[in-house]
This record gives sequence, C-alpha cells and structure tokens, in this order.
Amino acid sequence: EVQLLESGGALVQPGGSLRLSCAASGFTFRSYDMTWVRQIPGKGLDWVSSITNDGATTYYADSVKGRFTISKDNSKNTLYLHMNNLRAEDTAVYHCARDLLGSPFFFDKWGQGTLVSVSS
Amino acid sequence: DIQLTQSPSSVSASVGDRVTITCRASQGISHWLAWYQQKPGKAPKLLIYAASSLQSGVPSRFSGSGYGTDFTLTITSLQPEDFATYYCQQGTGFPRTFGRGTKVEIK
Repeated sequence: EVQLLESGGALVQPGGSLRLSCAASGFTFRSYDMTWVRQIPGKGLDWVSSITNDGATTYYADSVKGRFTISKDNSKNTLYLHMNNLRAEDTAVYHCARDLLGSPFFFDKWGQGTLVSVSS
Repeated sequence: DIQLTQSPSSVSASVGDRVTITCRASQGISHWLAWYQQKPGKAPKLLIYAASSLQSGVPSRFSGSGYGTDFTLTITSLQPEDFATYYCQQGTGFPRTFGRGTKVEIK
C-alpha cells in the first residue's frame, strides 16, 4: 500500500525556519516526481513546489521562490521541504503528493499533511 | 499564470441526483486537467486526469470531459459518500494551479 507520511510541522515565529519531511513507502520512490501542496485550513489547494524523480530539477511557486527548497533523498525514500524566512501567509497544512507516473502533471497519492503555523 | 474558475462554488443535491461541475481555464490547456475530491480532514483524492481518464479504483459514476478552456466533471446518481469538495487542477507548465473548489452538499 502506498503511504506518504508528513512530519515536521510546528508553530514558528515570522522569519523562522522549518524542515518538513515526507516518508514514502509502498512504491519505488526513486521512479517518481514528487510535489508539495499547501492548504489553509478551510480554504483551497495551493501548489508549492515539485521535484523530478532524480532530484535534478525543481520548480517553485513565486510566493516561495528563494525561501523554500525542495529535495529528495532516494536512499531514504524521503521528500523534504526546507522553509526559511517564514511569513504569516505560509500558515497552512502542507501535503506531499506523488506525481502520476506517465503523466507527472497530476497527483495520484497524497499524504494527510502537517500543519505549519507562523505567528509571533 | 493560468487561472481556473470553477462553478458553482457550492451545490445542494440529493442522493441519486446528477451533478455537473464546470472548470474554465484562462487560456487553452489542451486536455491537461484533473479533478480531485476532498472530504473534511482528509487528503485530496484523484478522480479524473487528462480531462477524461478515470483514475484506477474510482467509480464509473464519475466522468470528465472537455478540451482547451472548458471542462466538466459529472457525477451520475450521487451517492452519500460523494458529498465533498471537488477541485480542478491544470497540469500544463508551472505553476500548477487549482480551482477554488465546489462543495457538494446534501439537500
């Protein structure tokens, strides 16, 4: 069974840093592109960042570019999101998602998410 | 960035009803559109990808259609477990973008 389990969410002050992790199991992690999507509680979905299966190419939303870094450790089956200079507007549940194999434009498996709260 | 406009934002329906949700893209996206279902406190679930391809394990009462800028998700014979929020998402280029969602509520 495919599982994606996020961790690392916390309450952090504006300007602070956080590292989110997404532990993957039940599939060949190194074969898949992966993505982070966030959701303000009670609101819609907001794409954050994606990474190719080999980790060589990354993509970011303009709102996080230069502050967030996505990475992928295929030896540990883990996806990361390093978040720096956090702002109040980054407060959200962060989901990791697996890109659909063969059509890596869509997301076929999602984790439950981890909550990041940015507040003083 | 490509904007996706979903309508309606909410719909009240009864079990057995046919429900149609539309998603309009601000520019042509070929067939690069997906639909997701999300229930409160749960992760989104992929229903339809590439506009009309049914994801494995998704009931056949869900169907998608459209090309270019106008797309539709149809649920024939609404079931109790279908009450949820539905999002469209475009997959042509970056940034990926989502519609604002359509909440399907019990009438």
